[in-house]
Amino acid sequence: LAKTTQPISMDSYEGQEVNITCSHNNIATNDYITWYQQFPSQGPRFIIQGYKTKVTNEVASLFIPADRKSSTLSLPRVSLSDTAVYYCLVGLTGNQFYFGTGTSLTVIP
Amino acid sequence: GAGVSQTPSNKVTEKGKYVELRCDPISGHTALYWYRQSLGQGPEFLIYFQGTGAADDSGLPNDRFFAVRPEGSVSTLKIQRTERGDSAVYLCASSLGAGSDYEQYFGPGTRLTVT
Repeated sequence: LAKTTQPISMDSYEGQEVNITCSHNNIATNDYITWYQQFPSQGPRFIIQGYKTKVTNEVASLFIPADRKSSTLSLPRVSLSDTAVYYCLVGLTGNQFYFGTGTSLTVIP
Repeated sequence: GAGVSQTPSNKVTEKGKYVELRCDPISGHTALYWYRQSLGQGPEFLIYFQGTGAADDSGLPNDRFFAVRPEGSVSTLKIQRTERGDSAVYLCASSLGAGSDYEQYFGPGTRLTVT
């Protein structure tokens, strides 16, 4: 089963780059890796998705090594509004998805 | 356009009662997912629909839980004989298609409290 493992929490100062790494040793060949952000009392929101190498969009970058057993979400120059829980998601079996406990990021002024 | 909506936003019910939770997905999205999220935990997969049929219901915890999507759009999650352990936020998500390469769009959730 393609479960994921992430650090439970991280702290960062405003303006710094934050990297959150997720392990997914049993990722399937066809699985994409997706990261979501969740604020309290809201549903998760899509951040970025990738299959291999590097993907960048207007808010984040995603680095995936060749073996795809892990991935790293990179948030450049975080602000206080980036304080949230971040989930790494891969397919489980069929169309099940395992969110895990996520990483609670706290941005400090 | 409109996002995924869920009603009610909050539901308080007594142990043993029946509840229905509704999800209105984004128009045109063929895949619909239900998740349950307990405090401090990530969303836990319950069931997934592709069109009208439940493609995977292996996440439903027991036979008190049932979900339908009769016309391939709106979905209802039904819980019979509610128990205090059913208290959680129930999230619905929809996507254009099925598979891990499709972005899931989540609703705000329904907070269910069983007293």
